[in-house]
Amino acid sequence: KAGVTQTPRYLIKTRGQQVTLSCSPISGHRSVSWYQQTPGQGLQFLFEYFSETQRNKGNFPGRFSGRQFSNSRSEMNVSTLELGDSALYLCASSSGSPPRDTQYFGPGTRLTVL
Amino acid sequence: QKEVEQNSGPLSVPEGAIASLNCTYSDRGSQSFFWYRQYSGKSPELIMSIYSNGDKEDGRFTAQLNKASQYVSLLIRDSQPSDSATYLCAVNIRDDKIIFGKGTRLHILP
Repeated sequence: KAGVTQTPRYLIKTRGQQVTLSCSPISGHRSVSWYQQTPGQGLQFLFEYFSETQRNKGNFPGRFSGRQFSNSRSEMNVSTLELGDSALYLCASSSGSPPRDTQYFGPGTRLTVL
Repeated sequence: QKEVEQNSGPLSVPEGAIASLNCTYSDRGSQSFFWYRQYSGKSPELIMSIYSNGDKEDGRFTAQLNKASQYVSLLIRDSQPSDSATYLCAVNIRDDKIIFGKGTRLHILP
């Protein structure tokens, strides 16, 4: 079974720009969660999508948004980029059946904001 | 109180010894607990999950859960240099969110 894929793997943007990241989950998985990882804050939960609906949301500003398509692929968008948005963005896929729902991570997208 | 807490380390353990990693959580209603390993520059990979009080063993790894004390730990027996990584504890909390601790850096000394 193919794993979770994320594109692009690396991205360099400047302040004020916007960016869209993509995640394709493991085949058959219906839930996609997004995380931001920085050295100081660790892994922080952004949001989770299940069956094209946002099911959970973390404490991030509205500049961070996402969506999920009917094939479970998900995109995350960050508008008006700030320097502090530089991070590793990870998506995780799961079957979507909490609480015993195991997440599997993609390789991540490394975003650098200049 | 933070939702999931781990000692940041680094924890240095001689090769062949037992490494013990600890995690505490604040939500008494949590039902699922996970340990992930993350090598530098890579994404987290699942080591094991545990749902019931007691021990769960998988090869050299043993997860221990004590819901009364809100404590979960990971033991690594016969530590190898390849075990050097950051270990992340993850807990499902209210609303079924999965929250991660900041991780413990483990360094196995050859």
